[in-house]
Amino acid sequence: QVQLVESGGGVVQPGMSLRLSCAASGFIFSKYAMHWVRQAPGKGLEWVGVIAFDGSIKYYADSVQGRFTISRDNSGNTLYLQLNNLRGEDTALYFCARDVKVDNSDYADYWGQGTLLTVSS
Amino acid sequence: QSVLTQPPSASGTPGQRVTISCSGSSSNIGRNTVNWYQQLPGTAPKLLIFNDNRRPSGVPARFSGSKSGTSASLVISGLQSEDEADYYCATWDDSLKGVFGGGTKLTVL
Repeated sequence: QVQLVESGGGVVQPGMSLRLSCAASGFIFSKYAMHWVRQAPGKGLEWVGVIAFDGSIKYYADSVQGRFTISRDNSGNTLYLQLNNLRGEDTALYFCARDVKVDNSDYADYWGQGTLLTVSS
Repeated sequence: QSVLTQPPSASGTPGQRVTISCSGSSSNIGRNTVNWYQQLPGTAPKLLIFNDNRRPSGVPARFSGSKSGTSASLVISGLQSEDEADYYCATWDDSLKGVFGGGTKLTVL
C-alpha cells in the first residue's frame, strides 16, 4: 500500500535552515510528481510547492520562493524540502503528497501524516 | 487570505443535505478542475472529490461535487456524524501554483 512518511521537523531558531524528508513506499516513486503542503497551527492548508517525477521542473508558492527548495532522490524513494532563512510564519505541520495526473485532472491522492516544524527563538 | 473563498463554517443535522461552496476566478477554477479534501480532526487530508465531480474508490456516494464557471460546490447528502471535519477545495492557477480554499469546518448538530 502507498505510504508516505515525513521526518526532520523540530524546533529551530529564526534564520536557521532545516531539511525535511518524505520516505515513499508502495508505489513506483520515480513515476510521480510530489507536493509539499503545510498547515500552520489552527489554520488551513497552504500549498508549498511541487516537483516533477524526474526532478526537472519545480514550482513554489510565492511565500517560500527563494527560501525553500524541493528535491528528490528517486533511487532512494525520498522527497526533500530544504528550508532556509526560516521565519516564525513557517511554523507548521508539513505534509508530502503524491500527485496524480489523469486526462485533465491533477490532484494529490495520498498524503503523509506530516512533520511539525516550529520556528522560535 | 486564500485565493479560493469558502465559508468558514457549515452545519447540519444527521440526514440533511449540506452544500459547501468554493469561489475562485478565471485564472484558477475557471481554467482547471477542482478537487476536494476532507480533514478529520488530528489527521492528514484525504482526497474526497477530483476532476470536479469524481469520487475516488471508497468515498461514499453521499459526497458529490460540481463546478460552474469560476465556482465549485461540494454536496453531502444524508449527513452523518462521521462527516464532521474540515473541507478544502483546491485547484491550480495560471502560474502553475497550487491553490487551496481557506477551509470549511462542518459541524453535525
